[in-house]
Amino acid sequence: QKEVEQNSGPLSVPEGAIASLNCTYSDRGSQSFFWYRQYSGKSPELIMFIYSNGDKEDGRFTAQLNKASQYVSLLIRDSQPSDSATYLCAVTHRFGNEKLTFGTGTRLTIIP
Amino acid sequence: EAGVTQFPSHSVIEKGQTVTLRCDPISGHDNLYWYRRVMGKEIKFLLHFVKESKQDESGMPNNRFLAERTGGTYSTLKVQPAELEDSGVYFCASSLQGSNEKLFFGSGTQLSVL
Repeated sequence: QKEVEQNSGPLSVPEGAIASLNCTYSDRGSQSFFWYRQYSGKSPELIMFIYSNGDKEDGRFTAQLNKASQYVSLLIRDSQPSDSATYLCAVTHRFGNEKLTFGTGTRLTIIP
Repeated sequence: EAGVTQFPSHSVIEKGQTVTLRCDPISGHDNLYWYRRVMGKEIKFLLHFVKESKQDESGMPNNRFLAERTGGTYSTLKVQPAELEDSGVYFCASSLQGSNEKLFFGSGTQLSVL
């Protein structure tokens, strides 16, 4: 079992709709959760991080964490073609500086 | 402000040759990480420097890989001798002390071993 699991996609969403990206993790001791966006051939770019159960909103993005279910998700509202990218879920096992454990990523395509 | 810079962006070498990858972190960032993505797999941690010291090198695949960060500034990752399975994208990332949420990645070095 992989430590961080994501559906590889591709996930296709019409422009203006809500894109929902999901991630599960196996280690109950995981403390910090991150969503990165990676355009093809570019560097991963941090979009959101979340530490506590519940929702965290930043503009069109909402991260949701459920530690009991070991589940973290990213919602993108009012999807734009520029949101088309691979979205990487990553976790760390404690706060502060520590190595990230990544999922394989979900490729998202926003259809105009 | 310059971001994390990696050089070269692409490298094609033959099996058995040596390759050295370089990473220049953001100025002032004590933490420097190397990660690798092999085709079709997830990005995996290789090692972590705090300044010039190796904090965690648990992800280094074997002793053909040598990472250095002399003076706590730029870092190099040498693969010697390279094997076919070393092909992939090598990412460097840096952050300030105590701020995993502000981790910045470089664009990566695409290494192809033929």
